[in-house]
Formats: sequence, structure tokens, C-alpha cells
Amino acid sequence: DAGVTQSPTHLIKTRGQQVTLRCSPKSGHDTVSWYQQALGQGPQFIFQYYEEEERQRGNFPDRFSGHQFPNYSSELNVNALLLGDSALYLCASSQDRGLNTEAFFGQGTRLTVV
Amino acid sequence: AQSVTQLGSHVSVSEGALVLLRCNYSSSVPPYLFWYVQYPNQGLQLLLKYTSAATLVKGINGFEAEFKKSETSFHLTKPSAHMSDAAEYFCAVSDWQGGKLIFGQGTELSVKP
Repeated sequence: DAGVTQSPTHLIKTRGQQVTLRCSPKSGHDTVSWYQQALGQGPQFIFQYYEEEERQRGNFPDRFSGHQFPNYSSELNVNALLLGDSALYLCASSQDRGLNTEAFFGQGTRLTVV
Repeated sequence: AQSVTQLGSHVSVSEGALVLLRCNYSSSVPPYLFWYVQYPNQGLQLLLKYTSAATLVKGINGFEAEFKKSETSFHLTKPSAHMSDAAEYFCAVSDWQGGKLIFGQGTELSVKP
């Protein structure tokens, strides 16, 4: 079991550009959540996708959008990048049903905006 | 609304000493509580979780945590620290097991030889 995989691992973008980050969930998981972790901070919830729809959303602007595909993989898109968007972006997958539905995290994508 | 406060952004212990990392939560509904560990340049790994089945929860690597409703606390302990325990530890709360996690600011644990 490969666990949660994210790509790319590192990315450098210029202010104003757009970026797409990708996540493949752990085998058997159908729910994907995205978190932003700024340096020295705890992760902040961006949104969660289930059945290809956004189910929950945190306090992030509309510049942050996502998608979930039929195979449960997911993308996070950020438009009009700001310097403050520089962070580690973490994807977590979980099962919507069952006794053990806790989140498993990927290694993250380190985004640097210059 | 839910929130988590981790007391102490940095804790330093000697190898073999007791580890105690403090977490207090706020929740208007019965909480689900979690402790995660993060090693440098890595994602988060689940150490243990509280889901109302038992107040004393045992996790991986010898860690355990006790849920105290009256104190709204969920402190993480380990009887004897090992060098490999040096990492960042995050406490998190959710209103259901698969829901969004609200994290604390984290506590960096250093272990001295």
C-alpha cells in the first residue's frame, strides 16, 4: 500500500501565477482533505472532497479551489498566487464510513512563491 | 466552534525522562481528539486518537493520552523518552472522525542525550 501520495514534492512559482497540486489517496479511501501549513504553524483546513463534491470548506478565499475525480484522487488549484501562499500543502485521505475513519497524510508539497 | 491550545511551543527532556506534552481543547459537541507527529520535511503521522471508547488511549511508539472532560485536556505522555522521539507534535480536534481537523500550533520536542 503506497499510502497517500502527493506531487510534486517541491514547487517554485512567481507571484500572480496559478498552481495545481495533486493527491492520490490511500487505497480504500474515498475522502480527500487539503491543509495548508505555514512555517512554524499547525496545519489549517482548506477543504474536503467526497463523492466529487466539496463537502466542507475552511476560511480560505475563492482563489483556492479543488476537484475530486471518480478514482478519488484530487487536485488543489490556487490562482493569483501571493507571497503568503508559500507553505507546505498537505493532503489527507480517509474513509467516509467504518470504524476507523481517521485521516492519513501525505508527505506534502512545498510551495514557494517568489 | 472548536479550538486547540498546546501549552509550550518547545519542550526539552533528557533521554529516558518522562515526556509530557499538554493539549487543551474547546468544543461545543463531544470531541474526537488526535495526536499527530511530524518529522522534518515529512507529513503527519497519527500517534493516537480518542473517539469516546476509553478515556486512556494507547498509541504507537509507547505514547498514551488521557481524555479529561472536566479539564478539557488531552495531554500526551511517554514514560521514557528516546532520541528518535525528537519531532513536532500536534494535537487536533474534530466533531467527527472523518471531519476537518482543527490543529494546535504544535510543540517541538527535543531529546538530550
